[in-house]
Amino acid sequence: GQQVMQIPQYQHVQEGEDFTTYCNSSTTLSNIQWYKQRPGGHPVFLIQLVKSGEVKKQKRLTFQFGEAKKNSSLHITATQTTDVGTYFCAGAGSNDYKLSFGAGTTVTVRA
Amino acid sequence: EAGVVQSPRYKIIEKKQPVAFWCNPISGHNTLYWYLQNLGQGPELLIRYENEEAVDDSQLPKDRFSAERLKGVDSTLKIQPAELGDSAVYLCASSQPSVAGGQETQYFGPGTRLLVL
Repeated sequence: GQQVMQIPQYQHVQEGEDFTTYCNSSTTLSNIQWYKQRPGGHPVFLIQLVKSGEVKKQKRLTFQFGEAKKNSSLHITATQTTDVGTYFCAGAGSNDYKLSFGAGTTVTVRA
Repeated sequence: EAGVVQSPRYKIIEKKQPVAFWCNPISGHNTLYWYLQNLGQGPELLIRYENEEAVDDSQLPKDRFSAERLKGVDSTLKIQPAELGDSAVYLCASSQPSVAGGQETQYFGPGTRLLVL
């Protein structure tokens, strides 16, 4: 199955700044999903990207799926303390329903 | 709408003891997943059910782990005997077929945090 890598593992951000986390797959994906897990919580679905080059926005969050459908990014603008948590990407192969999760990017915010 | 329910939320046991986790998925969700999440890692699939059928248990360590979903609703995951390395969070998730096609959205429960001493 595919392996999904995320970088960076940790992101410490000043409140109000922007940052980006990246997700890379060893194989072409049929789709990619992003989840957020708050400290002590469980993963919560954020968004799914399906099309090559697709870009979706949710308020201050911008998600992008690469042209080759092997990578994705999450960009957060004007970071707030509510953005604290771990962001996971999860990808599924072309003939595989199974989601492979990355190790996540853990975000902390300093006020 | 109630989310995925799991119990217990926390469990501390001694090694070699058995332990069981219970999951009640979102009403109407035919697909149920059990994941294991180690500290600092993403969830790893253990088993997937479509109704009462285990359609993918390739990642389940069958020497000590077992699962069932007898009536296609609630599910139980069991470990017997537990080992120190089994300490982790066990997450249950459920989903239903996507109307628009594509990957199903998985809804996770709060998880059971297991500590094996």
